[in-house]
Amino acid sequence: DTGVSQDPRHKITKRGQNVTFRCDPISEHNRLYWYRQTLGQGPEFLTYFQNEAQLEKSRLLSDRFSAERPKGSFSTLEIQRTEQGDSAMYLCASDSLSGNTIYFGEGSWLTVV
Amino acid sequence: AQSVAQPEDQVNVAEGNPLTVKCTYSVSGNPYLFWYVQYPNRGLQFLLKYITGDNLVKGSYGFEAEFNKSQTSFHLKKPSALVSDSALYFCAVRVRNTDKLIFGTGTRLQVFP
Repeated sequence: DTGVSQDPRHKITKRGQNVTFRCDPISEHNRLYWYRQTLGQGPEFLTYFQNEAQLEKSRLLSDRFSAERPKGSFSTLEIQRTEQGDSAMYLCASDSLSGNTIYFGEGSWLTVV
Repeated sequence: AQSVAQPEDQVNVAEGNPLTVKCTYSVSGNPYLFWYVQYPNRGLQFLLKYITGDNLVKGSYGFEAEFNKSQTSFHLKKPSALVSDSALYFCAVRVRNTDKLIFGTGTRLQVFP
């Protein structure tokens, strides 16, 4: 069990550029979640996959955000035309259908300048 | 709507003293309750959870929490604080038959030597 892995850990980008984050969940975890955390706040739910199906999206997830999990294993979160307000830590998490504990990765910090 | 409240932004305690970090929740069904800890620039680490059964649950690093249904609370406790316990603590609720966690705003615990 290697835990939830996220890459990159830090990303600095210019406003208007696109960025992509990758998440590798704990092996055999079929549910995968993306959360966003800004300074001084608790994590906020963005979206969730069960296997390759995206089952729920928060209204926080504007049309500039897209998430995929093409083979039901790793997932990517892409932000197009980044804005300064997108600066945050993006957390990936996973669990299994039979479990009830969600495990988080170390997060990917995004700074938009 | 489901929500979690952590009424204290910061808790200060001397090393060796007992600590309590408060959490109350509001959900429409029976909740699953969780505590996570976050160290600077890190992801969330799972500490403990209440699913059912004994109202007092024990978790990692000597932490425990007490579920109180009548007061809708799930306070985190530790009999003797360590300086290394200093971190950001998040309470979260997961409503049964839904899939995501709802987090509080977090409480910063500062343990002084």
